[in-house]
Amino acid sequence: GAGVSQTPSNKVTEKGKYVELRCDPISGHTALYWYRQSLGQGPEFLIYFQGTGAADDSGLPNDRFFAVRPEGSVSTLKIQRTERGDSAVYLCASSPRQGASSEQYFGPGTRLTVT
Amino acid sequence: KNQVEQSPQSLIILEGKNCTLQCNYTVSPFSNLRWYKQDTGRGPVSLTIMTFSENTKSNGRYTATLDADTKQSSLHITASQLSDSASYICVVTAPNTGKLIFGQGTTLQVKP
Repeated sequence: GAGVSQTPSNKVTEKGKYVELRCDPISGHTALYWYRQSLGQGPEFLIYFQGTGAADDSGLPNDRFFAVRPEGSVSTLKIQRTERGDSAVYLCASSPRQGASSEQYFGPGTRLTVT
Repeated sequence: KNQVEQSPQSLIILEGKNCTLQCNYTVSPFSNLRWYKQDTGRGPVSLTIMTFSENTKSNGRYTATLDADTKQSSLHITASQLSDSASYICVVTAPNTGKLIFGQGTTLQVKP
C-alpha cells in the first residue's frame, strides 16, 4: 500500500490485559512517530524513532508503555496492565527523514477501548 | 497549560460561506506551523506548512496566515463545501526532532 497502515483498526480489551498495536510506515521512511488522541482533543506525542532507535520517548506516560522498531520499518506500541484511561485512538505517522521541515504522513489510527 | 490554543472549539456554517479559524501558540522557538484536516475516524492530513518567516500559504480554498510576532495563526476557508466538515488542527513543530505539538482542534460542520 502507498500509505501508513495500522492494525488493528479497533481493539477492545479488559482492564489489566496486555495489548500490542502495529504500525506499517510508508516504505523507505526513516522517521516514525506515535501519538495518542483522546476524544475531542488533538493528538499528543508519545515517542519518535529515527531508524531502529527511539530518539525521543519523552511523551510516554509511564513505564507500562513501550515501543519497538527492531528493523527500522514496522513499529509496535506495547501497553502492559491496561487501564481505562488508556482508552484513546493511537496514531502512527512516518516521515521520509528526520527534522522539523519533513512532512509527516498519518495512518488511520487504532481505537483502543479498555473496559 | 496547552502550548497551542484554538478557537472556536466548534463552528457551524452554511455551504458556500467562508470561515476563519484561529490559533494562538506559546511554543518558542519553533520550526514551522502546520494546519491539518482530520475527518472522523481518519488520521490528520496536512493542509499547509509555514516557516516562521512566512506570512501566508494557500492550498486551494484554504489560506493560512502566520504572525510570528503575536504568535497567532489563522486558517481561512473560502466557499465552503459539505466535504469541509471535519476537525481542523493547528500544529507547531519543535526544532530538530520534528515533534508535533497539537492544538485541540476546531470542529467545523458545513450544512446544506
